[in-house]
Amino acid sequence: AQSVSQHNHHVILSEAASLELGCNYSYGGTVNLFWYVQYPGQHLQLLLKYFSGDPLVKGIKGFEAEFIKSKFSFNLRKPSVQWSDTAEYFCAVYMTTDSWGKFQFGAGTQVVVTP
Amino acid sequence: GAVVSQHPSWVICKSGTSVKIECRSLDFQATTMFWYRQFPKQSLMLMATSNEGSKATYEQGVEKDKFLINHASLTLSTLTVTSAHPEDSSFYICSASGLAGGHGELFFGEGSRLTVL
Repeated sequence: AQSVSQHNHHVILSEAASLELGCNYSYGGTVNLFWYVQYPGQHLQLLLKYFSGDPLVKGIKGFEAEFIKSKFSFNLRKPSVQWSDTAEYFCAVYMTTDSWGKFQFGAGTQVVVTP
Repeated sequence: GAVVSQHPSWVICKSGTSVKIECRSLDFQATTMFWYRQFPKQSLMLMATSNEGSKATYEQGVEKDKFLINHASLTLSTLTVTSAHPEDSSFYICSASGLAGGHGELFFGEGSRLTVL
């Protein structure tokens, strides 16, 4: 069965530290990849997405992610986090064939940035 | 960017009553809409996929008769929680994928928090 796994459920780090969140999926077909962020009390927002082309994708707020097809991974990175990056981060994979498509989300990673 | 609106954002109802939640795509035609449920501190769980003009496809374990989904137009999908019980209390979120969003991109509604007393 297809699945999306995020390696860490909780991450706590200090301001200015670097952040990397892991995301792996299990599906051998065509995928589109996304990272969403959910700030406290707000709805999901798209951080970045990968459809095709350069596997290193830059998103909003200084985030980037790299698609490594051979590893079925799409890890999210930010070189220097801020307190305002405290949020929950979800990796999502859109798995598609000629006849159907399906989104699947990871369980989420709660990130807390301390001053 | 594309906007998806949900209504109501909060609803409290008595056990045994039915509640309808609307999901509208405001500035694009949504051929496909998805309904999710989110429990506290957990990820989104896909409940069903709704294609305009056809029956919804439900995920395993989701009761079709309990969670009625109607996608009658390209801009509106509704989720009706029938005979709601306290265990149905949750955060329900819709998302839409359509022409404005490009292939495979989702736009999310703000969510609807249901509390069943």
